[in-house]
Amino acid sequence: AQSVTQLGSHVSVSEGALVLLRCNYSSSVPPYLFWYVQYPNQGLQLLLKYTSAATLVKGINGFEAEFKKSETSFHLTKPSAHMSDAAEYFCAVSAGGTSYGKLTFGQGTILTVHP
Amino acid sequence: EPEVTQTPSHQVTQMGQEVILRCVPISNHLYFYWYRQILGQKVEFLVSFYNNEISEKSEIFDDQFSVERPDGSNFTLKIRSTKLEDSAMYFCASSERREYEQFFGPGTRLTVL
Repeated sequence: AQSVTQLGSHVSVSEGALVLLRCNYSSSVPPYLFWYVQYPNQGLQLLLKYTSAATLVKGINGFEAEFKKSETSFHLTKPSAHMSDAAEYFCAVSAGGTSYGKLTFGQGTILTVHP
Repeated sequence: EPEVTQTPSHQVTQMGQEVILRCVPISNHLYFYWYRQILGQKVEFLVSFYNNEISEKSEIFDDQFSVERPDGSNFTLKIRSTKLEDSAMYFCASSERREYEQFFGPGTRLTVL
């Protein structure tokens, strides 16, 4: 079984500051890990994914995440926040090639960016 | 750019009524999914569908729920007799292969009165 914990339901940063959104996972098999973003009144959009290749994954809009097996973490970072990054972010895990793609989501983190 | 579409965007129904939520996945995708998000809670997996049959379902997906791919483009979720607790945002998703990323639709907000 898989589970995801996102630390912090709300994160607030200033424009230009570092963004760090935390995600820890639990998986009984090698996981695939994803970060999705949801803007108001829109669907979930994939930011990046880890599927057992490079542990540092780069995504869209300047975001990246690092898979750390020893810490069971997949934190999302961006060096410099922009006002347009304000949204809700979801970390998700799947059981990789052993599943039919079922995603298990964290509870989400709302990112607020202040001018 | 291809996208997943869902209709309607908002559905209001009376408790006990049947509802059908519709989705048009991306055309070359083979795997289809339904998720739901009750207000203030996590996005939860409901069911996955491949090769015209359910491949996996959650404990939420009981006999009141069914899915169908009635033609080559639509993918539907039916709730036979809605309950108040079925009120949620329902997301459809599709992927080309099961290990590939899933593309999500904008969701249907279901309100059961």
